[in-house]
Amino acid sequence: QVQLVESGGGVVQPGTSLRLSCAASGFTFSTYNMHWVRQAPGKGLEWVAIIWFEGSNKYYADSVEGRFTISRDNSKSTLYLQMNSLRAEDTAVYYCARAPGNQYSSSWAVDSWGQGTLVTVSS
Amino acid sequence: QSALTQPRSVSGSPGQSVTISCTGSSSDVGAYKYVSWYQQHPGKAPKVMIHDVSERPSGVPDRFSGSKSGNTASLTISGLQAEDEADYYCCSYAGRYTVIFGGGTKLTVL
Repeated sequence: QVQLVESGGGVVQPGTSLRLSCAASGFTFSTYNMHWVRQAPGKGLEWVAIIWFEGSNKYYADSVEGRFTISRDNSKSTLYLQMNSLRAEDTAVYYCARAPGNQYSSSWAVDSWGQGTLVTVSS
Repeated sequence: QSALTQPRSVSGSPGQSVTISCTGSSSDVGAYKYVSWYQQHPGKAPKVMIHDVSERPSGVPDRFSGSKSGNTASLTISGLQAEDEADYYCCSYAGRYTVIFGGGTKLTVL
């Protein structure tokens, strides 16, 4: 079955960087678009970024544009999120999430979620 | 872009029906058929309940249904059961290759 396992979270100071990873298994990773979605403690879900199945197209929420970079290594079935210039408001559980497909029409929902990794930005 | 608007809470008794609304704009919910709904139990990852406005993934009970009228999407849960108590989030494509979520609704089964 589909498994998404995030790692790399932790406590960091404002202004520093962190890279999250998501190891995928149970499906052909290279044929699916992938998202990162986050959830601040006690708050709602917030979409962060999407990357196309072959890695050619990447799109971001305004709140992270220019600071975060989504990438993937299809040979390792792994999704990444490089987070720079971290702020207190970036504190959240970060979920790796699979879109239903790799076409435009099947990109804008999530059909599988990881369990999330907590990032805390605090001095 | 602001989050889609959902009621903070709804409630119903077992066996009853409840509807959760999700109001956006002509730039998101009203413009596209890409509305989805997610159920999240405390401490758990979300689970998709509806995609493409009204499509139900395999394994999701047919008690869950989705619809859309203008800029407002709705999730209806009929025959409420205790295990339906959770947070529910709507989600929509918002153009320019971006996605927007609603603020979430807490469903209480009385």
